[in-house]
Amino acid sequence: DVKVTQSSRYLVKRTGEKVFLECVQDMDHENMFWYRQDPGLGLRLIYFSYDVKMKEKGDIPEGYSVSREKKERFSLILESASTNQTSMYLCASSPPGQIYGYTFGSGTRLTVV
Amino acid sequence: AQSVSQHNHHVILSEAASLELGCNYSYGGTVNLFWYVQYPGQHLQLLLKYFSGDPLVKGIKGFEAEFIKSKFSFNLRKPSVQWSDTAEYFCAVKNNFNKFYFGSGTKLNVKP
Repeated sequence: DVKVTQSSRYLVKRTGEKVFLECVQDMDHENMFWYRQDPGLGLRLIYFSYDVKMKEKGDIPEGYSVSREKKERFSLILESASTNQTSMYLCASSPPGQIYGYTFGSGTRLTVV
Repeated sequence: AQSVSQHNHHVILSEAASLELGCNYSYGGTVNLFWYVQYPGQHLQLLLKYFSGDPLVKGIKGFEAEFIKSKFSFNLRKPSVQWSDTAEYFCAVKNNFNKFYFGSGTKLNVKP
C-alpha cells in the first residue's frame, strides 16, 4: 500500500515565520504535488514536481516555494507566513502517466496567528 | 481555462435514499476522470476513475459514475446511501498534460 506521510497533522505558527511542511512517499513515485484545501474552494495546486530537483508552479504559487532534493521527499516552504495562508495543506504523489490517480497524505492543518 | 464544476455544495439525504452528485468539466481534449472521497478526519481516497472503455464505471462501496462525453459530465451515483457515506466528495479531471483539476467539493450528510 502506498503511503504518503506528512510530518505534522497540526501546526500553529506566527506571522512572518518561515514554515517547512514535509512530505515523504514510500512507493518510488516520480510525481509529487502540494495542494491547499479551503472550504468552498476545493483543492488548489501550489507546486508540483516530476523529478528530483525539478519543480513547477501550480495555480497559486505566490508566497510559497518547494524543495525536492530526494525522490521520496517534497517539502513546501512558506517564506514568511501570513494569516491568509491558514489552511489545510495536502501532499500527493503518483506514478507518471495519465491513467493514474493520486495518493494523498492525511494533511497538515496550518494556522498562522 | 479548464475547470471542474460541482453543482451541489451540500446535500442532505436520509438513509436508503438514492444519490446523484453532478460534475461537469470544461476541457476539449482527452481526459481521465476521478471521484475522490474524504471521510471526516481522514485523507482523500480514490473512489473510482474512468480512463477508457465502458463509460459506466463501478467503484468501491457501491458507487458508480457515468461518463457522458457529449455533456462533459461525470456524475456520481449510489442507489441507496448509508450513514457511513457521510463525507465530502471531489470530482477531478486529469488532462493529457497530466495536470489535475479538482471541483470545489460536495458535502454529503446522511441522516440515520
